[in-house]
Amino acid sequence: KAGVTQTPRYLIKTRGQQVTLSCSPISGHRSVSWYQQTPGQGLQFLFEYFSETQRNKGNFPGRFSGRQFSNSRSEMNVSTLELGDSALYLCASRSPGYTDTQYFGPGTRLTVL
Amino acid sequence: QQQVKQSPQSLIVQKGGISIINCAYENTAFDYFPWYQQFPGKGPALLIAIRPDVSEKKEGRFTISFNKSAKQFSLHIMDSQPGDSATYFCAASGGGYQKVTFGIGTKLQVIP
Repeated sequence: KAGVTQTPRYLIKTRGQQVTLSCSPISGHRSVSWYQQTPGQGLQFLFEYFSETQRNKGNFPGRFSGRQFSNSRSEMNVSTLELGDSALYLCASRSPGYTDTQYFGPGTRLTVL
Repeated sequence: QQQVKQSPQSLIVQKGGISIINCAYENTAFDYFPWYQQFPGKGPALLIAIRPDVSEKKEGRFTISFNKSAKQFSLHIMDSQPGDSATYFCAASGGGYQKVTFGIGTKLQVIP
């Protein structure tokens, strides 16, 4: 089975712009979670989608949003980018049924100038 | 608010030594405690996990020790190897599809 894929792998944007990141979960996985990883804060949970519905949400401003499509692929959008949004954005999928094991993609490295 | 406190944030161990990383949690509803390993340029990958009904779990050179009363758990890497050099995250989650809370991470360097 192919793993979790994320596109693009690298992005450079300027302040005020918006960005959309994409994540394709492992085939058959319906849950997709997004995390922001920074050196000082570790992995911060953004949100989780399951069957196109947001199931959990972290403590991030409304500039951060997401959605999930019927094929379980997910997108994350950040509007009005700030310098502090520079981070590695990770996507993770969970296998069907109740399980806590998350499978991470390689991440998208976002740099805001 | 950090619900899972991890220490140390960096660790240098000689080859063949024991690496120990500690985590403490606050939420008594947590019932699943995984450790993830992350190499540069890669996403974290599940290394080993434990549930609170056991006090220890061993998989090869990796052992989780769990102390429910103290709300602490730790990862021990025996006979540490340079290939173990990575960032390690402890995590915790509750039941019912609750979100996973991660520790801040420990950057481990194993020197020859």
